[in-house]
Amino acid sequence: SQTIHQWPATLVQPVGSPLSLECTVEGTSNPNLYWYRQAAGRGLQLLFYSVGIGQISSEVPQNLSASRPQDRQFILSSKKLLLSDSGFYLCAWSVGDRASGYTFGSGTRLTVV
Amino acid sequence: QQQVKQSPQSLIVQKGGISIINCAYENTAFDYFPWYQQFPGKGPALLIAIRPDVSEKKEGRFTISFNKSAKQFSLHIMDSQPGDSATYFCAATMQFAGKSTFGDGTTLTVKP
Repeated sequence: SQTIHQWPATLVQPVGSPLSLECTVEGTSNPNLYWYRQAAGRGLQLLFYSVGIGQISSEVPQNLSASRPQDRQFILSSKKLLLSDSGFYLCAWSVGDRASGYTFGSGTRLTVV
Repeated sequence: QQQVKQSPQSLIVQKGGISIINCAYENTAFDYFPWYQQFPGKGPALLIAIRPDVSEKKEGRFTISFNKSAKQFSLHIMDSQPGDSATYFCAATMQFAGKSTFGDGTTLTVKP
């Protein structure tokens, strides 16, 4: 069966520090991968998505970047965090060759102080 | 147009009642319409989904009604329970587009 792992669960980082959040998927190949951010009590904001290794589409110009070094690994990074980067970060995957639902990870609560 | 409009923003229902959440879309190229349920501090989970070739899909107490001509779809929760209290998101997806468009979410509270 397919599973998605996202870590860490919570993170408190000072302003100006770097960030690296990792997401891995098991049990499937060539998935579509996504990073979303959710502010408190708000909807889902798509940050990045990837349909293959090295293929990254950015939805919102910002302080963040994403990489897909392996088929089932998706990394969200920042060189210098801003206060506005605080939020709930969610990784998700979907089947790559047809319209299907997403499977979300358990999320990372990031607080920038 | 890629937007999906969801209403209401919040909903309070008595235990045993029917909860109804509505979504509307513009792009007729969408061909898959899922609903997600999210509990506080957790990632959304796929609840139920429908394709536009059917008008209704039922899974237990959850039903999606789909109106292709009106470009609207809705989630009905029958016999709502306090455990159903969560945020619900509708979405619309195009095959091979690589991403879904989400509604803004509805916070459902079921009072005992």
